[in-house]
Amino acid sequence: SAVISQKPSRDICQRGTSLTIQCQVDSQVTMMFWYRQQPGQSLTLIATANQGSEATYESGFVIDKFPISRPNLTFSTLTVSNMSPEDSSIYLCSGQRTGGLNTEAFFGQGTRLTVV
Amino acid sequence: GQQVMQIPQYQHVQEGEDFTTYCNSSTTLSNIQWYKQRPGGHPVFLIQLVKSGEVKKQKRLTFQFGEAKKNSSLHITATQTTDVGTYFCAGLNYSSASKIIFGSGTRLSIRP
Repeated sequence: SAVISQKPSRDICQRGTSLTIQCQVDSQVTMMFWYRQQPGQSLTLIATANQGSEATYESGFVIDKFPISRPNLTFSTLTVSNMSPEDSSIYLCSGQRTGGLNTEAFFGQGTRLTVV
Repeated sequence: GQQVMQIPQYQHVQEGEDFTTYCNSSTTLSNIQWYKQRPGGHPVFLIQLVKSGEVKKQKRLTFQFGEAKKNSSLHITATQTTDVGTYFCAGLNYSSASKIIFGSGTRLSIRP
């Protein structure tokens, strides 16, 4: 597997502002994804971060609210825009290789976001 | 869309007792993966099952993939306090752009 460095690890933000979360992988990965996890809940997929093109969003998530960049195979950002308290959650990025025997996801440490 | 459900949602056992969590997908899967998330941590990959009816073991953990590749189970024998955490199954379907869809999770707590 690879190692993903995610930052910030936590932040407290004012409503109406935006926060950008960064993930850096220590090696090239085919796929990168962004998830949201409410405390005690499962992981909800926000979007697939596509290298060099627009991200693919899951139902209920839109680009205006969660713009995503992936300029190369080792880096991606997620921005939570115009935040409200409902956006308070843990945000996780993951990397995944495809084409081989193992297609497991490995995760960054997560960003715990609190919107006040 | 694809959904992956797990039961039970919570399990509280005495140390030394066995534990099982069951996973069901609404669609046939290319493979199923299991992850463990410790409190305050991020999910960590445990294992991947690919073949219909496959069974894999990791020490006290036994993983099974159903014949129809739509269900799976994780069984822990003689639980230890280090087993505490939430166990997620996660289904991957290559026809769905290789996205991994996580199950609802089973939170395991243990009485010493």
